Amino acid sequence: NAGVMQNPRHLVRRRGQEARLRCSPMKGHSHVYWYRQLPEEGLKFMVYLQKENIIDESGMPKERFSAEFPKEGPSILRIQQVVRGDSAAYFCASSGAKPQTQYFGPGTRLLVL
Amino acid sequence: DQQVKQNSPSLSVQEGRISILNCDYTNSMFDYFLWYKKYPAEGPTFLISISSIKDKNEDGRFTVFLNKSAKHLSLHIVPSQPGDSAVYFCAAGDSNYQLIWGAGTKLIIKP
Repeated sequence: NAGVMQNPRHLVRRRGQEARLRCSPMKGHSHVYWYRQLPEEGLKFMVYLQKENIIDESGMPKERFSAEFPKEGPSILRIQQVVRGDSAAYFCASSGAKPQTQYFGPGTRLLVL
Repeated sequence: DQQVKQNSPSLSVQEGRISILNCDYTNSMFDYFLWYKKYPAEGPTFLISISSIKDKNEDGRFTVFLNKSAKHLSLHIVPSQPGDSAVYFCAAGDSNYQLIWGAGTKLIIKP
């Protein structure tokens, strides 16, 4: 089953550390999206990437957060100097050439102590 | 400004009966709509979608209805089964790629 894969599934960091979240899209998909879900809330769009390009990062905080989708390898969402408010579930989704239906990975649950 | 609203945070339905989940939107530029189902500790799973040129789409026990004049869509599940207990998200998109999500409705199927 070549679904969307995310790792790690759970990540614990102390304040000030860096968090790296990885996402491998579904086979054949070249569009990747990152979302964040805070407790009791819906999913909030963060960033949309295609291979080697950031298409839209309008939902990403201006500081400490960055994302990439290199030519080879998974997409990476990087959070520097994490704070407690970064604790959330981070979901990655991918889609094919017609980016209407997005397929989600299982998410990474980040806990900042 | 919430462009996609799911006004019921939760819904409880007897097993075997029909579950109706509602979603309202404000942006008339949305041209497709999707429903996702989410279990705890898992990512959302795509259920069913509908294009704005249709008013109904059916897939097994799941039917989505779209009322463009009212800017309203609904998901019908019949008959409801215990495994349907989950959080259901409505999402909408335009010719762009970005999906706008509702806050979700938690569906509880009672035995």
